[in-house]
Amino acid sequence: GDSVTQMQGQVTLSEDDFLFINCTYSTTWYPTLFWYVQYPGEGPQLLLKVTTANNKGISRGFEATYDKGTTSFHLQKASVQESDSAVYYCVLALNSAGNKLTFGIGTRVLVRP
Amino acid sequence: NAGVIQTPRHKVTGKGQEATLWCEPISGHSAVFWYRQTIVQGLEFLTYFRNQAPIDDSGMPKERFSAQMPNQSHSTLKIQSTQPQDSAVYLCASSFWGGNTGQLYFGEGSKLTVL
Repeated sequence: GDSVTQMQGQVTLSEDDFLFINCTYSTTWYPTLFWYVQYPGEGPQLLLKVTTANNKGISRGFEATYDKGTTSFHLQKASVQESDSAVYYCVLALNSAGNKLTFGIGTRVLVRP
Repeated sequence: NAGVIQTPRHKVTGKGQEATLWCEPISGHSAVFWYRQTIVQGLEFLTYFRNQAPIDDSGMPKERFSAQMPNQSHSTLKIQSTQPQDSAVYLCASSFWGGNTGQLYFGEGSKLTVL
């Protein structure tokens, strides 16, 4: 069945460090992939979307791409700030409307000042 | 604009009691989703409605859990005979239908604790 696997449970960084989070996906359909972010006490919110392999999604300084050959997709940011501390989820859309979503387990990013 | 509103924010029940969680979607959104969030399992899809009709309840536990959407302005998730393993944050989300946007708008969640 359709699934996403997100391996990194927690990442601890200092401000201005480079962030890289990787996921793998499995689907028999053409994937539409997303990254969601969840801040403490809030629900998850859409960070960015990638619909075409090798094309970048870009939002708020974050970039994401996916690779059909390795069925992987990743999120990166060149220089993190303390305010980027949150849980980041890789997400796969499971229906043609693009809004039934399956979430990875999440990666907690802690950025120290 | 108000976002998705979930009530109560916190609910504590004793084992075997019933819990009902409420969700008010964003006005104009035609799809409503329920997810469950735990430390161990992460975010799990439960069910969703489109134009108030149940479309997919493949994530709902077969017993004790039910969801309804009696009108376009609210949905409920009911858990009968609650068990400690039902303790979780239950998240409701709404969206427009179609467009392949992946944009779900989540509420802040209802944290259920079963003692």
